[in-house]
Amino acid sequence: SQQGEEDPQALSIQEGENATMNCSYKTSINNLQWYRQNSGRGLVHLILIRSNEREKHSGRLRVTLDTSKKSSSLLITASRAADTASYFCATSRGGSNYKLTFGKGTLLTVNP
Amino acid sequence: EAGVVQSPRYKIIEKKQPVAFWCNPISGHNTLYWYLQNLGQGPELLIRYENEEAVDDSQLPKDRFSAERLKGVDSTLKIQPAELGDSAVYLCASSLATSRGLSEQFFGPGTRLTVL
Repeated sequence: SQQGEEDPQALSIQEGENATMNCSYKTSINNLQWYRQNSGRGLVHLILIRSNEREKHSGRLRVTLDTSKKSSSLLITASRAADTASYFCATSRGGSNYKLTFGKGTLLTVNP
Repeated sequence: EAGVVQSPRYKIIEKKQPVAFWCNPISGHNTLYWYLQNLGQGPELLIRYENEEAVDDSQLPKDRFSAERLKGVDSTLKIQPAELGDSAVYLCASSLATSRGLSEQFFGPGTRLTVL
């Protein structure tokens, strides 16, 4: 069963614009991760944020986590056509940091 | 460094036939995962190995699915017999277990199975 729900399901923007994707989840988590998937390269890990962290940066990526609202957001700044992909949030909870539960993903299209 | 290798990349079979997928994880990674990804959905864990031991197979449909990881390196996932609903992408991932328990999972390109 899916734990996370990404929003929106699909997002289309112009190159250079920022893209924001959201993820909501249902139960308490240990950490939350964001992955990117495009047709050529499979799933790639982007960033991990622990439950006691509120914000994290990695290059053009900014992730926030609000455990009180059970939600996270992924911001991609100055988007590029190469950012076109599906983006998934994945949570781990309970006694296992290894078992990831993925959402359905947001399909991001960056138009040149 | 080579990533996670999977083969075949594509497989088309008729229902009721058997099928097998192979995965070679990143060298040194002791944890290996098999995921199922249906179209428009996120991956769902089927089984996780730590070395050669299956430590979580609660989501594996054991009536038709089986997996093995001999010698704690390569792994094979088998479906016998395949059903129409098994059409999906089968992803393999690996990670290195740490004392803190947090580890990035590295995914292979997947095997796209079509059951006719």
